Order: sequence, then C-alpha cells, then structure tokens
Amino acid sequence: EAQVTQNPRYLITVTGKKLTVTCSQNMNHEYMSWYRQDPGLGLRQIYYSMNVEVTDKGDVPEGYKVSRKEKRNFPLILESPSPNQTSLYFCASSWGGHLNTEAFFGQGTRLTVV
Amino acid sequence: GENVEQHPSTLSVQEGDSAVIKCTYSDSASNYFPWYKQELGKRPQLIIDIRSNVGEKKDQRIAVTLNKTAKHFSLHITETQPEDSAVYFCAASSLRDFGNEKLTFGTGTRLTIIP
Repeated sequence: EAQVTQNPRYLITVTGKKLTVTCSQNMNHEYMSWYRQDPGLGLRQIYYSMNVEVTDKGDVPEGYKVSRKEKRNFPLILESPSPNQTSLYFCASSWGGHLNTEAFFGQGTRLTVV
Repeated sequence: GENVEQHPSTLSVQEGDSAVIKCTYSDSASNYFPWYKQELGKRPQLIIDIRSNVGEKKDQRIAVTLNKTAKHFSLHITETQPEDSAVYFCAASSLRDFGNEKLTFGTGTRLTIIP
C-alpha cells in the first residue's frame, strides 16, 4: 500500500530537549516536505527536499533542521524546541519537479512543547 | 512569493444544498491548483485538481473552476451530504528557482453540513 508514515503521532516534550520526527514514504517520490498546521494559518511549509542530499527552506524554517540521506526518509529535527513550535506537523511526498502531482500526506504528529 | 487567500473561513449549509469556497492567488505563473479535504483528526487528501490550461473540471458532485485572468479559482460541492463536513484547503503551485514547484496553501474553510 502506497503511504507516508510519520512517527510519533503524539509527543509532549520540554523546552530545549532535542527531538526528531521521522517520515518515510514507499512510493519512490523525489519530493518531500514538512508542513506545520496552526489554526487560522493553514498549512505552512517548513522545509522541502527535491532529492537525496538536496534540501531547502520553506516559509517558516526557523528552529528546524532536516536531512535527506535516503530517498524514502526525511526526518524533521528540532534542536531546541520552544513553546511556539507547539503545532500539528505533516510530512508529504510527491513526484515533484515540473510534474505538479498529488501530494501524499502522513498521518500527522501533534507536538506539544511545555 | 505566492500568496493564496481563501474564503470563507467557516461555512454552514443545509444538507442537499450547494457549497462554494473561493480562493485567489497572486503569482500569475502558478499553473496547478489542487483542493484537499481534511476530515477531523485525519490527514489532508486530494479531492480534485485543475491545471491552468483548463477552465473547469468536474468529478461527480465536486467541481472546480479557474479564472486565470482574475487569478481566482473555486470549489463547488452540490447536493451536500453529512460526510462532506470537513476542512477544505485550496493550493496553488508555482515554480521556484531551479524549476522546482512550490505548493502554497490557503488558510482553510471549515464546512459544516446541517442535517
């Protein structure tokens, strides 16, 4: 089954404690991205990756890091989480480039930073 | 960069009536306009999309229209049913540097179908 898998689904952490949210896709998609969803603000892109070892900032990258060492995985790293990073996070993948195709989303990770 | 505005933010319609959600975009180079539906507690999923060389597309009770001149596009849902209750997001895809696409989302519309 084609899917994007995120883990964990729920996470409560304390300010400053490094954490990683994992994302994996099994569709051989080149393009992967991370979004955060906040009430009234929609889905805002944090980082994206066009292929292995190619990443770039989205609209709200401050406080986040990513890596793309393998095509299927695109982890989101919060080196020193702060309360303003409390949000619902989604990973997504698509064929990308000029193809303009459907983005497949993971199940979401609800993060609370206290 | 691209800016997508979506209205209304909330919409309640009687079951069986039609619902219309409207979006405007700023980048005239945008050429792909998908709509995503997010049910409560679930992930966003594509329900319909339209490309810039087409003015209208229909899929059963759902249709999308695109006016490139005015830079706006709309989602139309006819004969609404309770399972249409969800948050709907429009999006526009424009090209970044080096030819890669960027998908910019609207802020969402919470649609409630009243039985």
